[in-house]
Amino acid sequence: AQTVTQSQPEMSVQEAETVTLSCTYDTSENNYYLFWYKQPPSRQMILVIRQEAYKQQNATENRFSVNFQKAAKSFSLKISDSQLGDTAMYFCAFGADSGTYKYIFGTGTRLKVLA
Amino acid sequence: NAGVMQNPRHLVRRRGQEARLRCSPMKGHSHVYWYRQLPEEGLKFMVYLQKENIIDESGMPKERFSAEFPKEGPSILRIQQVVRGDSAAYFCASSPPKGMNTEAFFGQGTRLTVV
Repeated sequence: AQTVTQSQPEMSVQEAETVTLSCTYDTSENNYYLFWYKQPPSRQMILVIRQEAYKQQNATENRFSVNFQKAAKSFSLKISDSQLGDTAMYFCAFGADSGTYKYIFGTGTRLKVLA
Repeated sequence: NAGVMQNPRHLVRRRGQEARLRCSPMKGHSHVYWYRQLPEEGLKFMVYLQKENIIDESGMPKERFSAEFPKEGPSILRIQQVVRGDSAAYFCASSPPKGMNTEAFFGQGTRLTVV
């Protein structure tokens, strides 16, 4: 069975600084997808970034980038130039390439950006 | 193109009553997933449905919970005889058939409070 672990329950960062959120996972699958979702107080689940396991290149979306280490089963999220609007819960999620969108989520990291 | 619509946003039920949560998928999406988020936890998969079929209900509690996705109309998650432990946010996600995308799109959730 797949598992996703986020070991940082809470983090804080100064506005304009850089922060890295950690995520590790366990799977015996070879093909899969990894995601970072942002959940602000509105509770909406917003996709931040997505990584396909077969791609060696780390995904990047503007200020958000990942460090994907397949052998180590690690998938960290780096937020550069942090903004107050980045304050939210961040969830790491695993999706097997099995024909469904049944995701396994971590327990989340609460990020607070300080002015 | 409207996103995934869930209603109601907030639902209060007394112990022993029934709760009915609705999810209208994005236009063109024929697959629906229900997730439950307990306080301070990540989302947990409950059930995966296609039109008129339950494909995977491995995350559904064996009693009191049921889900349907009829040919016409929204998907319904039904909880009978609610208990305090059912208090949670329930999220619906929808997707087109696999192969057309690699992510599911989430609604804003329904927060169920059992008093």
